[in-house]
Amino acid sequence: AAGVIQSPRHLIKEKRETATLKCYPIPRHDTVYWYQQGPGQDPQFLISFYEKMQSDKGSIPDRFSAQQFSDYHSELNMSSLELGDSALYFCASSPSTGADEQYFGPGTRLTVT
Amino acid sequence: GEDVEQSLFLSVREGDSSVINCTYTDSSSTYLYWYKQEPGAGLQLLTYIFSNMDMKQDQRLTVLLNKKDKHLSLRIADTQTGDSAIYFCAEKGGSYIPTFGRGTSLIVHP
Repeated sequence: AAGVIQSPRHLIKEKRETATLKCYPIPRHDTVYWYQQGPGQDPQFLISFYEKMQSDKGSIPDRFSAQQFSDYHSELNMSSLELGDSALYFCASSPSTGADEQYFGPGTRLTVT
Repeated sequence: GEDVEQSLFLSVREGDSSVINCTYTDSSSTYLYWYKQEPGAGLQLLTYIFSNMDMKQDQRLTVLLNKKDKHLSLRIADTQTGDSAIYFCAEKGGSYIPTFGRGTSLIVHP
């Protein structure tokens, strides 16, 4: 079965640079979520989109922005990167069922040096 | 706000049963989930349960829900070394966004 695809899988950037992470949800899933996970932490919700519109916003810094495109893929744009942004970034997608169960991608490991 | 608590570590012997516990505070929880995360990988949805159920079984996995005590557990029968991972409990209530626990690190030794 198709899974959530994220690219790139690994990314190394320097402080103050920008980064763009991409997410391709499972076909026919209409909601996309972005999470940040630091070492030994649970995933922290950043932002979500339902049918290409922003639906919920969590602890996303103002330096970050995201959007969902007409083909349902989503991009997380991160600017003025800081050392503390080094983390695993996960995208998840869910179908419109009552459970709204989330299926996670493999993640993008961002390292800021 | 909502809070989800899990113990941090659980160590079991291969072949034994593992029971991972989770408590939550949101009285409006509708769905509760269990995820498994192996090192460097994404979270894998294992199972979920609707709040009007008290048990759900799926092969080696049994989920028990005590809604009155806001207690959720995941039992893994015949635990194998491949079950070693971090297990996250999550609950969804009034918000569309689930609240995750900190995760329980399951260590399976021979």
